[in-house]
Amino acid sequence: EPEVTQTPSHQVTQMGQEVILRCVPISNHLYFYWYRQILGQKVEFLVSFYNNEISEKSEIFDDQFSVERPDGSNFTLKIRSTKLEDSAMYFCASSSEAYGNEQFFGPGTRLTVL
Amino acid sequence: SQKIEQNSEALNIQEGKTATLTCNYTNYSPAYLQWYRQDPGRGPVFLLLIRENEKEKRKERLKVTFDTTLKQSLFHITASQPADSATYLCALLTGGGNKLTFGTGTQLKVEL
Repeated sequence: EPEVTQTPSHQVTQMGQEVILRCVPISNHLYFYWYRQILGQKVEFLVSFYNNEISEKSEIFDDQFSVERPDGSNFTLKIRSTKLEDSAMYFCASSSEAYGNEQFFGPGTRLTVL
Repeated sequence: SQKIEQNSEALNIQEGKTATLTCNYTNYSPAYLQWYRQDPGRGPVFLLLIRENEKEKRKERLKVTFDTTLKQSLFHITASQPADSATYLCALLTGGGNKLTFGTGTQLKVEL
């Protein structure tokens, strides 16, 4: 069964450093998302992406965040200058349609900012 | 303010019984409501979707109801098994249509 994959599974970085989290969505999906979950808290939407453009973003997704689909398979989330409060589990998701469709989540990348 | 509330306390039930989880929301008008399962350290896994014009949806041992007047969804697992132990997340489709807004989740533990 096709699945969303994410690398790395765990990333440790120093405050102020840049990190890139990588995702490979399901191959025929067209809509891509990033969510994050701070330990013990709810899953929070960051951004959605379609047709090489951001379609929606949350207040969390400020100028320090960016997303890119550099080729036909990868979808990346970059955090330019990490802060302690960026420590969280980051989930990539994809869906075949936009409205109302189920989203398939990857296993997550645990980001620890020291 | 907008809220999605799920039972904050863990739900413990005996194997074979029906588990009922509640999702209440305020100041949203979602066209869709979804339920996901999340195991520790893993990503959410989609279970069921229900539309605003549907009262009930079933899939195997799972049943979801959606009452847009009460602004509530109930999620039932019948004949529960220890393998059903997980956190169950309610999610509303909000904003432009493909943004999921999640509740805090309810932890279910099914005991032998």
